[in-house]
Amino acid sequence: KAGVTQTPRYLIKTRGQQVTLSCSPISGHRSVSWYQQTPGQGLQFLFEYFSETQRNKGNFPGRFSGRQFSNSRSEMNVSTLELGDSALYLCASSLGAGGASTDTQYFGPGTRLTVL
Amino acid sequence: GNSVTQMEGPVTLSEEAFLTINCTYTATGYPSLFWYVQYPGEGLQLLLKATKADDKGSNKGFEATYRKETTSFHLEKGSVQVSDSAVYFCALSHYNQFYFGTGTSLTVIP
Repeated sequence: KAGVTQTPRYLIKTRGQQVTLSCSPISGHRSVSWYQQTPGQGLQFLFEYFSETQRNKGNFPGRFSGRQFSNSRSEMNVSTLELGDSALYLCASSLGAGGASTDTQYFGPGTRLTVL
Repeated sequence: GNSVTQMEGPVTLSEEAFLTINCTYTATGYPSLFWYVQYPGEGLQLLLKATKADDKGSNKGFEATYRKETTSFHLEKGSVQVSDSAVYFCALSHYNQFYFGTGTSLTVIP
């Protein structure tokens, strides 16, 4: 079974631009979560989508948004990029249904975003 | 609220040394507990998990036991190798939400 894939793997943008990252979950997984990883802040939760609906949200400004399509693929968008948005953005998928106490997240390789 | 606290790093060990990375959690009810590993330049990989009290997760020589009485899930390995050098994250899953520790960097020197 194919793992979680993320595209692109690397991106370089300038301040003020916007960017869209893509994540394809493991087949059959309906939940997709996004995380931002930086050396200073560690792994921070952005949001989670399940069945095309945002189910959970972290503490990030509205410049960070996402969506999920009917095939469970997800995109994350960051508008008006700032230097501090430079990070590794990780996507994780899981089955997502039920009580979730036994759910497991599987991560993609990440997209390395550099903002100049 | 729910949270995970893990041992600060970095940790440096010689090859074949014994490894312990401490992890404690705060959660209501019965979360699932995980250890993930991140090798340089890569995403997180699931290392092992435990879904109920007293369960022992194990993989690649690593073990962790879900201790509800001490709310802990410490990671151990009897003899580390250079290839184990990575960042290790403790995490919990509870009602569709995941909580990660800050990560512990491990370097194993020959």
